[in-house]
Amino acid sequence: DAKTTQPNSMESNEEEPVHLPCNHSTISGTDYIHWYRQLPSQGPEYVIHGLTSNVNNRMASLAIAEDRKSSTLILHRATLRDAAVYYCILRKRLSNFGNEKLTFGTGTRLTIIP
Amino acid sequence: NAGVTQTPKFHILKIGQSMTLQCTQDMNHNYMYWYRQDPGMGLKLIYYSVGAGITDKGEVPNGYNVSRSTTEDFPLRLELAAPSQTSVYFCASTTGTGVETQYFGPGTRLLVL
Repeated sequence: DAKTTQPNSMESNEEEPVHLPCNHSTISGTDYIHWYRQLPSQGPEYVIHGLTSNVNNRMASLAIAEDRKSSTLILHRATLRDAAVYYCILRKRLSNFGNEKLTFGTGTRLTIIP
Repeated sequence: NAGVTQTPKFHILKIGQSMTLQCTQDMNHNYMYWYRQDPGMGLKLIYYSVGAGITDKGEVPNGYNVSRSTTEDFPLRLELAAPSQTSVYFCASTTGTGVETQYFGPGTRLLVL
């Protein structure tokens, strides 16, 4: 199974952009790159996903390398509420039903400095 | 929509006891999942279901059982609880079509003593 590698922790100043890297050198051609985050004492929540092209939504941007072996989650202006563990996940297919499985690593713990 | 709800929020269980963690979703999602998260670790898949009456094992199914009699509910049963089952349990659901996202519940913190 393709795996992802993320830094254990990062710090950023409030109101500055944050770039969270993820390496996935064994990604397959049909793997989507998903990002979830987990705020303290809460369940994970979806942030963004992409396949080949860069993606933007109201929460963040996702920049995907041309060879798809790495990606970067970009928070354009970090706030204290963005302090969380961020997971970079490759969507995998489960069994014969065709549904997708999310495999969570340990993620990157983002600390926002006021 | 309430989304995915889980009960209880917290429970202390004695070794050897059994209990059921409840999970309900009101989004008419076909796919539902149970994960556990140990301290400082990522989530691991216990069981999943692709629809009423259909369930399958994930990475760490030992010591657990599930059933799916309705679309909305996906209870997780712990039989003969062990200290190794001390964890936070998350239920999630998704439509199962296209590039869907998973919606997670708030979690149940379980302590087995």
